[in-house]
Amino acid sequence: DAGITQSPRHKVTETGTPVTLRCHQTENHRYMYWYRQDPGHGLRLIHYSYGVKDTDKGEVSDGYSVSRSKTEDFLLTLESATSSQTSVYFCAISRLSGEENTEAFFGQGTRLTVV
Amino acid sequence: SQQGEEDPQALSIQEGENATMNCSYKTSINNLQWYRQNSGRGLVHLILIRSNEREKHSGRLRVTLDTSKKSSSLLITASRAADTASYFCATDDGSGYSTLTFGKGTMLLVSP
Repeated sequence: DAGITQSPRHKVTETGTPVTLRCHQTENHRYMYWYRQDPGHGLRLIHYSYGVKDTDKGEVSDGYSVSRSKTEDFLLTLESATSSQTSVYFCAISRLSGEENTEAFFGQGTRLTVV
Repeated sequence: SQQGEEDPQALSIQEGENATMNCSYKTSINNLQWYRQNSGRGLVHLILIRSNEREKHSGRLRVTLDTSKKSSSLLITASRAADTASYFCATDDGSGYSTLTFGKGTMLLVSP
């Protein structure tokens, strides 16, 4: 696994509570991403970052916010968790090679259950 | 919205046989990538093919890309039980941020 650590790996939380998931990389890659994986949907992009303090929304960003205060850390926050946010969350990183982006490296995932 | 759609959704073969998975997509791309996911694990990158390439090989993997048909195929030759996993295609639209749009995946079961 390419230097990516997600924490926690598993979490159960109650509806309405805020939750923060952490992604930490040791690769010094510029780009970081949060995806969610649900049965029947594959992986969908929530938010991504292209540098410290530089973030943007993905396909399914409603109800989520992110922050990146350091190159190595990308935080995903569920403002007020809902049952529809029960999912497996994956962090990924990518770099530039020359002027082209390359493949993504994924963390092991965080299984979040909202009850 | 799903950019890539894999076909078939599930594939069951015997060890030693070849496995072919197909992926179709809808918009123009910069590159197309294939990933493998073992049960309960993260995704692992297998191979990347750029829009100006038609075929690429890596070990037992062969990927083709037909941009006129907006489709790609992944061939795994001489399959092994260890190849049992889900396989996803993902497209990079060239926005510059390498955000990927994934298909729903093909579950491959290779029986000894």
